[in-house]
Formats: sequence, C-alpha cells, structure tokens
Amino acid sequence: DTEVTQTPKHLVMGMTNKKSLKCEQHMGHRAMYWYKQKAKKPPELMFVYSYEKLSINESVPSRFSPECPNSSLLNLHLHALQPEDSALYLCASSQDPLPLAGGFYEQYFGPGTRLTVT
Amino acid sequence: GNSVTQMEGPVTLSEEAFLTINCTYTATGYPSLFWYVQYPGEGLQLLLKATKADDKGSNKGFEATYRKETTSFHLEKGSVQVSDSAVYFCALSEGFGNEKLTFGTGTRLTIIP
Repeated sequence: DTEVTQTPKHLVMGMTNKKSLKCEQHMGHRAMYWYKQKAKKPPELMFVYSYEKLSINESVPSRFSPECPNSSLLNLHLHALQPEDSALYLCASSQDPLPLAGGFYEQYFGPGTRLTVT
Repeated sequence: GNSVTQMEGPVTLSEEAFLTINCTYTATGYPSLFWYVQYPGEGLQLLLKATKADDKGSNKGFEATYRKETTSFHLEKGSVQVSDSAVYFCALSEGFGNEKLTFGTGTRLTIIP
C-alpha cells in the first residue's frame, strides 16, 4: 500500500471558522509533510514532521497549526484564515527524513484538499 | 539559495511526437534532481530521479540526465501518448537529507490524438 489519503477533498470555510485537514499513511513512514499549492504554481513546503516531532516550519503564519498525533496521522488545524490562503493543500510522507548519505527516500503525495476561504 | 527554472508552458504536442521539457538549476553543493508529474485532480508522483552527475533517470519511457557542467536536467520522451497529458515539475533537494524539495514552476503538457 503506497497510498496517502487526505480528507476532506474539498473544504469551504469562512474567515472566522475553525477547521482541520487530515492526512493518513500506513506505509510505516516516519517523515510527513504539508505543502501548499496555489493555482498554476509549484508546491511550497510548509511543515515537516520527523518521528512525530516538528522539524521544519517554513515561517508559516500561526493561523496554520500542524499536529502529528501518531506516526500515521498528520493534521493541519486552520483558524482565522484569509481568502489568499485558498489553495490545494498537499500532504506527503517518506520513509525517513534523513536517508543515508547519497540516498533518497521518495516522498509520496496525497491527492490534496482544495480549500476555499470566503 | 537553490532555484529551479523550467520551460514555460503550456506545451501541446501530437501523439507520438518527441518531447523535451527543459530544466536548469542553481544550487550550492551537489543536489539530487527529480521530475514529478501531477495528473488532473491528483497529487504529485515521482517520475524519475538522479542523485549525482551523469546519472540518467528513466521511467515509463521518460529519461533525464544530470548534467553538472550545464546545470541541467531536461526531460525527454521519444513518443508521447495522450495519457502523458499532465503537469510536470522539475525539483531538487539538498545533498544532505531530503526534507526540502525546491520545485520549478511546472510545465503543463497536453497531447492531442
């Protein structure tokens, strides 16, 4: 099973709402990632979790709050978002965040959650 | 910092045509290079990779060679199919670890029958 699942597929929320995005993988991966992808743009890294600990925060505004409750699950809590936060949010996972020198562990991406902030 | 420059799209080709999508990079050290593909409504899939100079990555008829002297990693396919229609992203990662991928802007490819 090489699948990363994300729920919901689509989400519409107002600027005062609180919502959460969920990501799940059962590949035994120990690194999980959140990316943001605006229309016709490449994905931009937001957060990285390594062994369930936050290892990278790419200066993301605090209205985005990640959580990794266990090694299979990754959440992104959303609060007081702005319309410019509307985007496709992609989750990914990889076997290990720091492979042996010269190695690379493929990042497996989920289909994403398309978020619209009104 | 690192950056990836990709051929502007969109690119439209007829079925069985030859495909080249150009990609050049700027990086310190010795990055690993990748091509990812994104089909409509889906996440990204790793298409191929190369981790050192002169390596050739290949998959599903696509090829790319890591050229350190020209800092390039151009994607090629000899005969494209309608099912190859997608957005293609060139990307690099630092030499140590693979946590951070730097992507190019993406090239939308449409193959017409």
